[in-house]
Amino acid sequence: SQQGEEDPQALSIQEGENATMNCSYKTSINNLQWYRQNSGRGLVHLILIRSNEREKHSGRLRVTLDTSKKSSSLLITASRAADTASYFCATGQGGSEKLVFGKGTKLTVNP
Amino acid sequence: DADVTQTPRNRITKTGKRIMLECSQTKGHDRMYWYRQDPGLGLRLIYYSFDVKDINKGEISDGYSVSRQAQAKFSLSLESAIPNQTALYFCATSDLAPDEQFFGPGTRLTVL
Repeated sequence: SQQGEEDPQALSIQEGENATMNCSYKTSINNLQWYRQNSGRGLVHLILIRSNEREKHSGRLRVTLDTSKKSSSLLITASRAADTASYFCATGQGGSEKLVFGKGTKLTVNP
Repeated sequence: DADVTQTPRNRITKTGKRIMLECSQTKGHDRMYWYRQDPGLGLRLIYYSFDVKDINKGEISDGYSVSRQAQAKFSLSLESAIPNQTALYFCATSDLAPDEQFFGPGTRLTVL
């Protein structure tokens, strides 16, 4: 069963704009991760935030985690056409060594 | 060279055929995973292994089997393929769990 649910399912923006994607989950977690997938290719890890962290940055990426609301957001600033991809959140749950992936947000950045 | 490789990259087969998908890694990770991806459904875990002697079923293991031949190799078999097993299959590895996973390029399997 899916743990994380991304919102929106699809997002289309212009180059230079910021893109925000959200992920909600249901049970307690050890960490939450974001992955990117270019069309039909393997997933690439972007960033991991642990349950005791509230915000994390990596380059143009900013991730927040609100464990009280069981939600996370991924912000991509100053988007580029090359950011066009699907973005998945994945949760690492307490007591489990597996990751559970959401269904993804498809981001299109128009030049 | 890629750290996680999968063969074949594409495969078309017929219903009832036995198919093996192979995964190799050079990352030295103990943990290996097989996922399938269907449009709009994200990734679902089929099997995972934490070492050569440890194999575990995932969310959707029915119709699949696996073999961990060595630390670096993890194979997924479809004993008798059926059309609803048409999907994109990914192998992944990790050093620690449930931490960052490293994915292979995927195998696109079509069962006619």
